[in-house]
Amino acid sequence: EDKVVQSPLSLVVHEGDTVTLNCSYEVTNFRSLLWYKQEKKAPTFLFMLTSSGIEKKSGRLSSILDKKELSSILNITATQTGDSAIYLCAVEITSGGSNYKLTFGKGTLLTVNP
Amino acid sequence: DAGVTQSPTHLIKTRGQQVTLRCSPKSGHDTVSWYQQALGQGPQFIFQYYEEEERQRGNFPDRFSGHQFPNYSSELNVNALLLGDSALYLCASSLARGVVQYFGPGTRLTVT
Repeated sequence: EDKVVQSPLSLVVHEGDTVTLNCSYEVTNFRSLLWYKQEKKAPTFLFMLTSSGIEKKSGRLSSILDKKELSSILNITATQTGDSAIYLCAVEITSGGSNYKLTFGKGTLLTVNP
Repeated sequence: DAGVTQSPTHLIKTRGQQVTLRCSPKSGHDTVSWYQQALGQGPQFIFQYYEEEERQRGNFPDRFSGHQFPNYSSELNVNALLLGDSALYLCASSLARGVVQYFGPGTRLTVT
């Protein structure tokens, strides 16, 4: 059974701290790994990673994939209260051709206190 | 550019009833996927529609069915509602050959 595990499940930090969120996976037919931020309802896309060892960066957020270790990390530097959200890791699994689906982890609830 | 839209926002139903949720994909997208997100859980894949056909399905019973229309919008139908069907139902759209799925704001379904 395909599995995506995120850790920690929740995290409380102070503004300005740096956080690292983890995602590990055991899936068949891996195609890519995606990170989403969910504040109230709609998850919003952050990063898509397909190649191992190549860091994706957007402002204070960055992410990297390690295909050997079947894992990814999401780093947030100089956290702000607006970073408070659930961060979801999803693995894209293909069943051939253009058939694919996302399998999500449970998410990490990040709370940034002022 | 309109993003993914879903209706209704909230819905309260009684056990045994049937419900229909609606989704309009992001402009230019032709593939729609539906997810169920229970409280404290990540979204779980229900099924995906492309070219008006169900292309893939997750581990959900036949009570969950869907439809895609020629304009790429989609409906999710759930029959014989159970208390356990209470959840946030998310619709996501993408391009058939794309990877990134863009999510709508969801429909919060409460079954009493």
